[in-house]
This record gives sequence, structure tokens and C-alpha cells, in this order.
Amino acid sequence: EVQLVESGGGLVQPGRSMKLSCAASGFTFSNYGMAWVRQAPTKGLEWVATISYDGSSTYYRDSVKGRFTISRDNAKSTLYLQMNSLRSEDTATYYCTRDRAYWGQGTLVTVSS
Amino acid sequence: DIVLTQSPALAVSLGQRATISCRASQSVSTSSYNLMHWYQQKPGEQPKLLIYDASNLASGIPVRFSGSGSGTDFTLTINPVQADDIATYYCQQSRELPLTFGSGTKLEIK
Repeated sequence: EVQLVESGGGLVQPGRSMKLSCAASGFTFSNYGMAWVRQAPTKGLEWVATISYDGSSTYYRDSVKGRFTISRDNAKSTLYLQMNSLRSEDTATYYCTRDRAYWGQGTLVTVSS
Repeated sequence: DIVLTQSPALAVSLGQRATISCRASQSVSTSSYNLMHWYQQKPGEQPKLLIYDASNLASGIPVRFSGSGSGTDFTLTINPVQADDIATYYCQQSRELPLTFGSGTKLEIK
């Protein structure tokens, strides 16, 4: 059974950093591209970033380019999202997803002083 | 960016047909694929893929869900609507980056 489990969310002050993790199991992680999608409270879904199966290609939405870094450790079957210079508008539940069909339960990031 | 437009809400009686539309600001179809996908999301839960590539039913999804469309106009149909279908439905395009979602259509029972 495919499982994606996010962790690392919480309360962080504006301008600070936070790193999210997504532990994958139930499939060969190194064969699949992965993505992060976020959802601000009571709002819709927003794609954040995508990484290729081997990590050689990464893509970001403009509003996070230069601040966020998506990466992966295929030996650990884990996806990451390093978030720097956080802003209040980054407050959201962050989901990791594979192939659109598999989603984690999400981890809430709250950026506030 | 490709903007996807959905109506905010739709009220339907149980047992009737629900038709949810999504219009793209430019074509999301290639010569081979219609790159529009549909998700269901209930409060407090992660999104669930219902339909991929406009008309393909995702694994484990009941056959009363169906999708159609091409180019810029797409439709998700639920027939018949059941009480468990109360949720928000999102369309999403993967024709080009950035990937974009519609703002969601909340399905309500009349």
C-alpha cells in the first residue's frame, strides 16, 4: 500500500526557515517524480514544486522560487521541502503527492509572529 | 498561467445528476491527451483523484463519477448523487507549468 507521511510543520516566525519531510513507503520511491501542493486555510489547492524521479530536474511556482528548495533522498525514500524567508502568505497545509493519485495527510505550516 | 474557472457552488437533490464545469483560459489538450483532472476533497481530508486525463476513472472510484471534455471546456458528472458525495470538487490542468487548480465547486444537497 502506498503511504506518504508528511512531517515538520508548525509555527514559525516570518523570515525564518522550516524544512518539511515526506516519508514514502509501499512503492519504489526512486522511480517516481514527486510534488508538493499546499492549501491555505479555507482556500483552494496550489501547486508549489515538483522534482523528477532522480532529482535532476526541479520546478517551482514563481512565488516560492529562490526561497523554497525541493529535494529528495532516494536511499531514504524521503521527499523534502526546505522553506526559507517564510511569509505569512506561506501559511498552509502542505501535501506531498505522487502521480496525482497518492497524497499524504498534510502538515500545517503557520507563519506568524 | 492557465486559469481554470469553476462555479463556487452547486445544489443538487439526492439521486439526481450533478454536472460540474471547468473552463480553462487556454487549451489544455495535446494531440493525444486532454490534460485535465478532477479531485474530490472533504473537510479535513486530503484531495482524492477521481478522474484523470479528462475522462479516465481513477482506481477505486465508483462508476457514477464520469468526466468529459476537451480543449478548454470540461465537465465532471456525478449520477446519481449520494449523500457521501458532499464535498468540494477541483479541476486541475497539467498541460503546462505552473500546474493550476480551479477554485473549487462545493456540492450541496438541495
